[in-house]
Amino acid sequence: GAVVSQHPSWVICKSGTSVKIECRSLDFQATTMFWYRQFPKQSLMLMATSNEGSKATYEQGVEKDKFLINHASLTLSTLTVTSAHPEDSSFYICSARDRPTYTQYFGPGTRLTVL
Amino acid sequence: GEDVEQSLFLSVREGDSSVINCTYTDSSSTYLYWYKQEPGAGLQLLTYIFSNMDMKQDQRLTVLLNKKDKHLSLRIADTQTGDSAIYFCAESITAAGNKLTFGGGTRVLVKP
Repeated sequence: GAVVSQHPSWVICKSGTSVKIECRSLDFQATTMFWYRQFPKQSLMLMATSNEGSKATYEQGVEKDKFLINHASLTLSTLTVTSAHPEDSSFYICSARDRPTYTQYFGPGTRLTVL
Repeated sequence: GEDVEQSLFLSVREGDSSVINCTYTDSSSTYLYWYKQEPGAGLQLLTYIFSNMDMKQDQRLTVLLNKKDKHLSLRIADTQTGDSAIYFCAESITAAGNKLTFGGGTRVLVKP
């Protein structure tokens, strides 16, 4: 149980385009999902907390107009990187929180490369 | 404040025990977690311990928590080559909405 999927697993795009990443909890409902960013050989940096049916809460320094988050259902959250630039290239990981235990289960990550 | 620290690297021989250490500063931590990350993959939850526990054992994994010293450790018995990965400890604080604060990760290399 407690499986979280992400799609796509990797994406390459041109500078200036927008990219949408999906995060799904497959066998449980998640009112809260989290989006992280990880640079090579570094730890995870929390970008935002996504709450079903309400606006996301962004961490300090994260541009909410650039990283659009939508959590339209209890099993799906999306992150859209708008007008992507090479500095947005990174490994993006989502997690979904299992409400009874507050444990976060992580997706496999999406590697974004912006040319 | 929230700060979680780990040593960067651990080398161990196959069959030996590995001990990965973690220190944290926020005494109001509710849960403490250990995650494993293999190259190019997401994080796999290995185990977690509630802050009112001292020890938790799960097959080859033993978690020890010293609340007084704010020290958490993960012991892997009979370490295998498949255990080579980066291990992250993380703390969760109820008052902070149960967001996770991660340590920098410990890279474990298991040598045959």
